[in-house]
Amino acid sequence: GNSVTQMEGPVTLSEEAFLTINCTYTATGYPSLFWYVQYPGEGLQLLLKATKADDKGSNKGFEATYRKETTSFHLEKGSVQVSDSAVYFCALESGGSNYKLTFGKGTLLTVNP
Amino acid sequence: DVKVTQSSRYLVKRTGEKVFLECVQDMDHENMFWYRQDPGLGLRLIYFSYDVKMKEKGDIPEGYSVSREKKERFSLILESASTNQTSMYLCASSLSGGSNQPQHFGDGTRLSIL
Repeated sequence: GNSVTQMEGPVTLSEEAFLTINCTYTATGYPSLFWYVQYPGEGLQLLLKATKADDKGSNKGFEATYRKETTSFHLEKGSVQVSDSAVYFCALESGGSNYKLTFGKGTLLTVNP
Repeated sequence: DVKVTQSSRYLVKRTGEKVFLECVQDMDHENMFWYRQDPGLGLRLIYFSYDVKMKEKGDIPEGYSVSREKKERFSLILESASTNQTSMYLCASSLSGGSNQPQHFGDGTRLSIL
């Protein structure tokens, strides 16, 4: 079956530090990959996505590249801000699954001023 | 902007009660989903629906049922609530059309079963 493994948190960084959150997946076929973000007290929002190998998704300074050879979709940001403090979820959607998403367990990021 | 509205942010119920969680979306989306979110477990899909009156089981359907009588509304029902159903429940919706259509989430209902 499908599964997503992302690095366990919590991750604590200082403002302007470089961020990497690792995500690897197991899936049949050619899944689409997503990063969602959940700010405190809110639901999830789509942060970025990639639908085929070597695609790079980007939004709000965050980037992730779909690497089929390593089955990975690591999230990166060059300079984090306090406002980036949130829980980040990696997810995949495998074709033919009626658009169901399989989520990782989430990584809590705290950015200190 | 798409809006997914869950009827309650916080809910406290007693063991054995029948509990209804309501979700409404305003963008004419075909697909709707119910997840529960627990610390260390991430999000797990309970049920989803891809059309009115249609439903499919997700990964953890036991103890739950759903109803979708109108396109905009998707209800999650706990037939006889138990303490292990204390959790954060998230509703989501999306257009049909594959992975180009992201899921849009409500703000969640934090349910406590005493």
